[in-house]
Amino acid sequence: EDKVVQSPLSLVVHEGDTVTLNCSYEVTNFRSLLWYKQEKKAPTFLFMLTSSGIEKKSGRLSSILDKKELFSILNITATQTGDSAIYLCAVLRGDATNKLIFGTGTLLAVQP
Amino acid sequence: NAGVTQTPKFQVLKTGQSMTLQCAQDMNHEYMSWYRQDPGMGLRLIHYSVGAGITDQGEVPNGYNVSRSTTEDFPLRLLSAAPSQTSVYFCASTGTPNQPQHFGDGTRLSIL
Repeated sequence: EDKVVQSPLSLVVHEGDTVTLNCSYEVTNFRSLLWYKQEKKAPTFLFMLTSSGIEKKSGRLSSILDKKELFSILNITATQTGDSAIYLCAVLRGDATNKLIFGTGTLLAVQP
Repeated sequence: NAGVTQTPKFQVLKTGQSMTLQCAQDMNHEYMSWYRQDPGMGLRLIHYSVGAGITDQGEVPNGYNVSRSTTEDFPLRLLSAAPSQTSVYFCASTGTPNQPQHFGDGTRLSIL
């Protein structure tokens, strides 16, 4: 059975801290891994990772994929209160269904 | 560009009632999906479609029907609402499997 596991489930940090969110997966027919940020409403897309070892960056956020060890990390440096959200990891299957399999998410709270 | 539009935003139903959650996208995307999000369980796939006239079941399809008569619209029908269907429902779309899915703002549904 396909599985995506995120850790930690929740995290409280102070502004300026650096955080690392983890995502491991067991999915047959892997195509890519995606990270989303969810505040009050719709999940918004952050990164799509397809190849191992290539870091993707967007401002203070970065992510990398290890297809051998079947995990990904999402790093956030110099955290701000606006980074408070649920961070969702999802794996896209490589078949014609385009199915996304989600983890349960990590709830990040950044305190001033 | 409206993106993915879901209506209604909130709905309260009584057990046994039926209703349709609407989803429309204006990006000419072939792939559309319905997810439900419950506390501690992440997003789970209900039904999906890879193009007009083609639908298939996801992880948790029981109690729900879908149809895809046009590229733009992908309604989700609850046949006989049950309290276990209380959840937040998200519709998503993408143009190809190599592109991230874009989510609507969700419908918060309560079944009494």
